[in-house]
Amino acid sequence: DTGVSQNPRHKITKRGQNVTFRCDPISEHNRLYWYRQTLGQGPEFLTYFQNEAQLEKSRLLSDRFSAERPKGSFSTLEIQRTEQGDSAMYLCASSRPFGTDRNGVREQYFGPGTRLTVT
Amino acid sequence: AQRVTQPEKLLSVFKGAPVELKCNYSYSGSPELFWYVQYSRQRLQLLLRHISRESIKGFTADLNKGETSFHLKKPFAQEEDSAMYYCALSGRGAQKLVFGQGTRLTINP
Repeated sequence: DTGVSQNPRHKITKRGQNVTFRCDPISEHNRLYWYRQTLGQGPEFLTYFQNEAQLEKSRLLSDRFSAERPKGSFSTLEIQRTEQGDSAMYLCASSRPFGTDRNGVREQYFGPGTRLTVT
Repeated sequence: AQRVTQPEKLLSVFKGAPVELKCNYSYSGSPELFWYVQYSRQRLQLLLRHISRESIKGFTADLNKGETSFHLKKPFAQEEDSAMYYCALSGRGAQKLVFGQGTRLTINP
């Protein structure tokens, strides 16, 4: 499977612990996105990278959240001092460089997600 | 402010009946609109985009700028259409997607 992969698929942690998720995008994709999805809601944008540069962060991304993409390939999302409200599905997506998609629209390809449960 | 509204959380129709999933948006500019679908135990995937004016799996969606709507339609529903459907928008040149809450479509035999 050459699609976007995420690890782990499930994570249960106690309140106050730190967690880190990993996303491996499709290899030729230079953009990588993180979204969060809570029960009954659509995905909400958190942040995105173009290569190794983090170009935009949502206000949802509090100081406890940090994302990196050190070599422009895989990315990690770390949550420090987890809270019960952090329980959600964390989705990663990637897209091709501009101009290589049909009609110039960058399609985002999503991974399977990491489900975080904070107890 | 960018906002996508899907007024129906659940929609149930019989096989062979027409389907319409509603999507309204709020955006100050010219957005790009998309429909994403998530089948049971599968990842979120793009179904169609307004700029392509295409029909995918029998589904079509027309962007109505006057009504700020992008409803998804299919004339004859099939059981395999049962899934979660999300309407989403992005600004031209911008890349983040803003999603609606989603509509769970169930096709009854």
